[in-house]
Amino acid sequence: DAGVIQSPRHEVTEMGQEVTLRCKPISGHDYLFWYRQTMMRGLELLIYFNNNVPIDDSGMPEDRFSAKMPNASFSTLKIQPSEPRDSAVYFCASSQRQESSSPLHFGNGTRLTVT
Amino acid sequence: LAKTTQPISMDSYEGQEVNITCSHNNIATNDYITWYQQFPSQGPRFIIQGYKTKVTNEVASLFIPADRKSSTLSLPRVSLSDTAVYYCLVGGVNQGGKLIFGQGTELSVKP
Repeated sequence: DAGVIQSPRHEVTEMGQEVTLRCKPISGHDYLFWYRQTMMRGLELLIYFNNNVPIDDSGMPEDRFSAKMPNASFSTLKIQPSEPRDSAVYFCASSQRQESSSPLHFGNGTRLTVT
Repeated sequence: LAKTTQPISMDSYEGQEVNITCSHNNIATNDYITWYQQFPSQGPRFIIQGYKTKVTNEVASLFIPADRKSSTLSLPRVSLSDTAVYYCLVGGVNQGGKLIFGQGTELSVKP
């Protein structure tokens, strides 16, 4: 099992540009999570999906952020337009079930820098 | 979802045992307690999970008292490579919960 795969590992873009982050969860995992990590705010849950359906997006900072999961093996997080304050490491994670006995498996993240 | 409280940082020396305690006073009946380890430039990694009493694996032990309002992660004989941030997480997305991480404990192991 290759684990959760995120791409790109690093993204540098200019303010105002569109950014798309990608995630491939572990096969067979029904839940997918997007987190953002900064020094100031730690790990923040942005949104999570169950069986490709968004369940809770209350953590999405504003309308500039959107996430999709068109199928069980792929999800995207898009920022349009990007701003310098969006600079952070974005993690995708997946889990097998909804019970708390099912741990999260994280990817290695995408480090986003917006200049 | 049960809120968790951990020390922000801890220092240790190589070869010592390290115990990190997490408080979770509002833990629900069905909640498991899960600990993660995060190295710089990597995502958090599962290290151990428990429901009650004691759990041990090749990496760590987890002690949970009868009231389950706290848990202690025990790392035996730490090495420099154990320098990382450790998070405890309680509960899951069932029953409307969210998997929200606290601030974690930054463990620094010195030679």
